Amino acid sequence: DAKTTQPNSMESNEEEPVHLPCNHSTISGTDYIHWYRQLPSQGPEYVIHGLTSNVNNRMASLAIAEDRKSSTLILHRATLRDAAVYYCILPSTGNQFYFGTGTSLTVIP
Amino acid sequence: DSGVTQTPKHLITATGQRVTLRCSPRSGDLSVYWYQQSLDQGLQFLIQYYNGEERAKGNILERFSAQQFPDLHSELNLSSLELGDSALYFCASSVTGSRATNEKLFFGSGTQLSVL
Repeated sequence: DAKTTQPNSMESNEEEPVHLPCNHSTISGTDYIHWYRQLPSQGPEYVIHGLTSNVNNRMASLAIAEDRKSSTLILHRATLRDAAVYYCILPSTGNQFYFGTGTSLTVIP
Repeated sequence: DSGVTQTPKHLITATGQRVTLRCSPRSGDLSVYWYQQSLDQGLQFLIQYYNGEERAKGNILERFSAQQFPDLHSELNLSSLELGDSALYFCASSVTGSRATNEKLFFGSGTQLSVL
């Protein structure tokens, strides 16, 4: 399974953009890049996913490097409700998701 | 609300006992996944079922077993419980759990198991 590397923690000021990085140097050509987040005491929730092109949805944007060995999740205006652990995942064939330690995002008011 | 329902929300039991956790996937989803989250291990993939058949196994102990029924709900059975089994157990579902890797997972709110 392709592995991902994320910083353990990051901080952001409220209402400022947040860029959460992820390295996945062993990614294969057909691996989708998924991002999930887990708020305190809740189950993980889907944020965004993509293959090659940058992706946008109502929650966030995903910027994928041209060589696909890294990606960045962008929260355009962090709110206190965005404080969570963010996971960058490359599912294995058969859609098994192996979660790493993720990045714990703290949003400062 | 993800549409995935897990019961019970909390379960307190003693060492050596057996418990059953239940999961109802989103309407239309055929694949169910079980995860265990403890403070020191993070989110660990346990097992996946697709349309009643076991599809993949992760770090599931031999004392644990699961099944998916014809109505697609799933149960995770934990037996000979130990203190270290205390954790949050999450169920997730997806449409097919196909060979492609572009399906989203939808997680339930979990069952908190406390083994005393």
